[in-house]
Amino acid sequence: GQQVMQIPQYQHVQEGEDFTTYCNSSTTLSNIQWYKQRPGGHPVFLIQLVKSGEVKKQKRLTFQFGEAKKNSSLHITATQTTDVGTYFCAGRRDSNYQLIWGAGTKLIIKP
Amino acid sequence: EAGVVQSPRYKIIEKKQPVAFWCNPISGHNTLYWYRQNLGQGPELLIRYENEEAVDDSQLPKDRFSAERLKGVDSTLKIQPAELGDSAVYLCASTGESSGNTIYFGEGSWLTVV
Repeated sequence: GQQVMQIPQYQHVQEGEDFTTYCNSSTTLSNIQWYKQRPGGHPVFLIQLVKSGEVKKQKRLTFQFGEAKKNSSLHITATQTTDVGTYFCAGRRDSNYQLIWGAGTKLIIKP
Repeated sequence: EAGVVQSPRYKIIEKKQPVAFWCNPISGHNTLYWYRQNLGQGPELLIRYENEEAVDDSQLPKDRFSAERLKGVDSTLKIQPAELGDSAVYLCASTGESSGNTIYFGEGSWLTVV
């Protein structure tokens, strides 16, 4: 069945370093969404990408959707302690509204 | 505007006991989801409703899990009997045209089966 693979599972960074998480789908997606989940919290919507090759920015966060609409990335520049949490991608297929979730990448800031 | 409301927030039960979770979605959202999230993993869809109709329940373990959304607004998810492996966070979420298909999650119901 369709899967969305997300890597890495964990990323440890020093505060101020950059962070990137990648999602890859086995099939073409109609759109992809990104969510952030703080420890002990619930997923919170960050952004949706729809167009092939789309790039969107939110302050220090840059989201990309691949040309083939099968992969996506989230890049955080100069991480801060408030960025700590798990970042999930979730892709939606063309054929129906089913949302396929990645396993998440946990961002850990080294003390 | 109120968000997705879930109750109870926390529940501890013994195995083989029943448990029920309640969800009130954001007003006007036709689509309601129940997800299960285990520690360190992403949400897994259990069931999706469009209004009162369950349109995707393929991942719902129907031998012990049941759900309903009788009037197309709030919903309940029941487990009977609970097993140790059911310990997880049960997340309700909703979406609709008014939110541009953005999914909004509730705080979750944390279930521990002992």
